[in-house]
Amino acid sequence: GQNIDQPTEMTATEGAIVQINCTYQTSGFNGLFWYQQHAGEAPTFLSYNVLDGLEEKGRFSSFLSRSKGYSYLLLKELQMKDSASYLCAASDSNYQLIWGAGTKLIIKP
Amino acid sequence: DVKVTQSSRYLVKRTGEKVFLECVQDMDHENMFWYRQDPGLGLRLIYFSYDVKMKEKGDIPEGYSVSREKKERFSLILESASTNQTSMYLCASSSGTGDVQPQHFGDGTRLSIL
Repeated sequence: GQNIDQPTEMTATEGAIVQINCTYQTSGFNGLFWYQQHAGEAPTFLSYNVLDGLEEKGRFSSFLSRSKGYSYLLLKELQMKDSASYLCAASDSNYQLIWGAGTKLIIKP
Repeated sequence: DVKVTQSSRYLVKRTGEKVFLECVQDMDHENMFWYRQDPGLGLRLIYFSYDVKMKEKGDIPEGYSVSREKKERFSLILESASTNQTSMYLCASSSGTGDVQPQHFGDGTRLSIL
């Protein structure tokens, strides 16, 4: 079957670095997305990886290892506004997205 | 910026009612999707559409139907609402076919069935 796993909740300190992991099993693979969702709001697109390696976008970076079925989202210089849920989604052979349940990130001062 | 607009943020309906959730996007996207989001679960795909008058079942279509009469509008219909359909409903759109483009989401409709 198809499956995405990510931690339910993580806590980090303002100014620090946090890594949110995601493992996936899909029928075929056409890339992996990360979305951010603040409470009561729409998910917003953060990043897309289809090749192995690290993609950097400002304070946020996303890594993919296709052979390991593994990705992570790295957030640097954490700010209070980064408190949100982070959703991992893999695109399968039919280009359908398989979604993880999301990781709730709590930032403490 | 892409704008996906859902008709209601909050909606309360009664068991057995027919419920319509509307979604409009303004970026001429071919693809539109309806999801439901429940605590502890990932987004679950109800229905999607790659073109006008075209619809495909997602993972959990039972109890729902959809309509896409115009490219910009995708409606979700609960034929006879039940309490287990109480949820957050998210509409999304994306461009392109056969390739991978990010989906853009509306703000969601929190639907309560009493």
